[in-house]
Amino acid sequence: SYELTQPPSVSVSPGQTARITCSADTLAKQYAYWYQQKPGQAPVLVIYKDTERPSGMPERFSGSSSGTTVTLSISGVQAEDEADYYCQSADSSGTYVFGSGTKVTVL
Amino acid sequence: EVQLVESGGGLVQPGGSLKLSCATSGFMFSASEIHWVRQASGKGLEWVGRIRTRANTYATFYGASVKGRFAISRDDSKNTAYLQMNSLKTEDTALYFCTRWINDGMDVWGQGTTVTVSS
Repeated sequence: SYELTQPPSVSVSPGQTARITCSADTLAKQYAYWYQQKPGQAPVLVIYKDTERPSGMPERFSGSSSGTTVTLSISGVQAEDEADYYCQSADSSGTYVFGSGTKVTVL
Repeated sequence: EVQLVESGGGLVQPGGSLKLSCATSGFMFSASEIHWVRQASGKGLEWVGRIRTRANTYATFYGASVKGRFAISRDDSKNTAYLQMNSLKTEDTALYFCTRWINDGMDVWGQGTTVTVSS
């Protein structure tokens, strides 16, 4: 098995940009996906295939990829963006994994 | 409206078994992969496993912590997927979600069903 490494927490002021990284060797060959989860709710897909945004997802959410690291950026952060964010990927054997999650706090 | 609804959770003793269901509606279930994901209280998401479609021979894959104990199946005629959990351990206590995957990520999730393994 393998692990996706995320920072435990990120703090950002309203209107600023939050950046959350996710690292693993497999990310050089496999796509990453990002999910937002608010307390008591099911996760919501915010980015797929590294950089694509699902229909209806605000443009302030964006994804990028460089080598073995992918990044979720939230520009113009709003109070409602305060949540846990998880990256997810797969390996060549067909198994999937989630990162440990990053808590985004809006100051 | 696309919906996934989990059921079957409850309290079970260590070593026991439980079968969860994921009833779906509003989309072509037979063309969708179904994944199970769990979350222990206050912890992160853990991928449990997935089942592919008939076109992919209903292949199943599992996370290391449940492989050999859990089994995923599906009944396309009932638009329902299942998670059979055997030899349950206290560390299997969690909220269990089912979610669909159609090429572009886990785009729709159920609200989850709670499994508690305790004596």
